[in-house]
Amino acid sequence: AQTVTQSQPEMSVQEAETVTLSCTYDTSENNYYLFWYKQPPSRQMILVIRQEAYKQQNATENRFSVNFQKAAKSFSLKISDSQLGDTAMYFCALDSGGSNYKLTFGKGTLLTVNP
Amino acid sequence: GAGVSQSPRYKVAKRGQDVALRCDPISGHVSLFWYQQALGQGPEFLTYFQNEAQLDKSGLPSDRFFAERPEGSVSTLKIQRTQQEDSAVYLCASSPRLAGGYNEQFFGPGTRLTVL
Repeated sequence: AQTVTQSQPEMSVQEAETVTLSCTYDTSENNYYLFWYKQPPSRQMILVIRQEAYKQQNATENRFSVNFQKAAKSFSLKISDSQLGDTAMYFCALDSGGSNYKLTFGKGTLLTVNP
Repeated sequence: GAGVSQSPRYKVAKRGQDVALRCDPISGHVSLFWYQQALGQGPEFLTYFQNEAQLDKSGLPSDRFFAERPEGSVSTLKIQRTQQEDSAVYLCASSPRLAGGYNEQFFGPGTRLTVL
């Protein structure tokens, strides 16, 4: 079975600063996929960034980047130059690939960006 | 283009009532997922369709939950004899290709179900 753990229920950061959200996971698969989704208040979930496990290079998308440590099964999200619009719930999710196409989500981290 | 839409956005049901939740995926998307998100939790997988075929319903909590996608587009999640523990946000997601791997899932806004 797959598990995803987000150990930070809430975090806050000042506008323009950098914040890192933590995620650890467990899977017995060797080739899998990891995602960070953002769920703004009362709005739908959108994909922030994704990482294929067989790629060693960390994914980046503008101000968002990940630190993927495969041996440690860690997948943290770094948000640089935080903006007020980054305030949201952030969910780490795992797709174990193969015949397991469902996403397994963590419990989420509520990020608040303060002006 | 239009995203994934869900209706109703909010539903209040008395315990024991049947409810039907609708999902309109992005046109042409092959894969469709239903998730249940309890308050303060991450979404949990309920069921998966590839076109009209329901390939996985392992996440459905009980036989009171039933989902269909008869023509491979719109999907309906039906809950019979609702219970208070069914109160949650029900999320629908679609994906353009066969599920799995790198494919992004596009989520709808969800239906918030409250069972009194």
